[in-house]
Amino acid sequence: DAKTTQPTSMDCAEGRAANLPCNHSTISGNEYVYWYRQIHSQGPQYIIHGLKNNETNEMASLIITEDRKSSTLILPHATLRDTAVYYCIVKVVGGSYQLTFGKGTKLSVIP
Amino acid sequence: EAQVTQNPRYLITVTGKKLTVTCSQNMNHEYMSWYRQDPGLGLRQIYYSMNVEVTDKGDVPEGYKVSRKEKRNFPLILESPSPNQTSLYFCASSLDPVTAYGYTFGSGTRLTVV
Repeated sequence: DAKTTQPTSMDCAEGRAANLPCNHSTISGNEYVYWYRQIHSQGPQYIIHGLKNNETNEMASLIITEDRKSSTLILPHATLRDTAVYYCIVKVVGGSYQLTFGKGTKLSVIP
Repeated sequence: EAQVTQNPRYLITVTGKKLTVTCSQNMNHEYMSWYRQDPGLGLRQIYYSMNVEVTDKGDVPEGYKVSRKEKRNFPLILESPSPNQTSLYFCASSLDPVTAYGYTFGSGTRLTVV
């Protein structure tokens, strides 16, 4: 599975859009991009995933660049409850059965 | 409600006293897994199970045992706990582990070994 690079931390004002970047420059064609988040000391929670098209669900939007070397998770109207560590994971379908988490980005939503 | 239930949420024990952390899921998932989380080290996988009676080591299996006698349960056993096993533990289950989609995690067990 390709390696990912995320900023260690970010701040976002409440009500504004939070844009969390992820770099995965070595991604291969059959690897998906997944996002999870972990609110303080709770279990990680699945947010969204995509292959090459942009995706949107009730929680967030995922924008993947055309060359697929990076992606951005967008929380359109961040609330205090969105304060969490956000993990970007790149994984090939049919690869190992292990889900590996990196260090993630600590997002702080500020009132 | 679809969920993964871990017990206990908090546990303080002494070195060498055997303990079991239980994990149960109600989603009929075949795949279950245990992680530990430590400051600065992130989430690390301990063991996983693809189905009943099928288990395999993750990245940090030393000092732990697991069993999978029923699909819904996947207990984590510490036969002789040591202080370096003080950590936050999470159980997870998934319908389709060949992707990273749809893992469900429990609420965590904070273990302190003194």
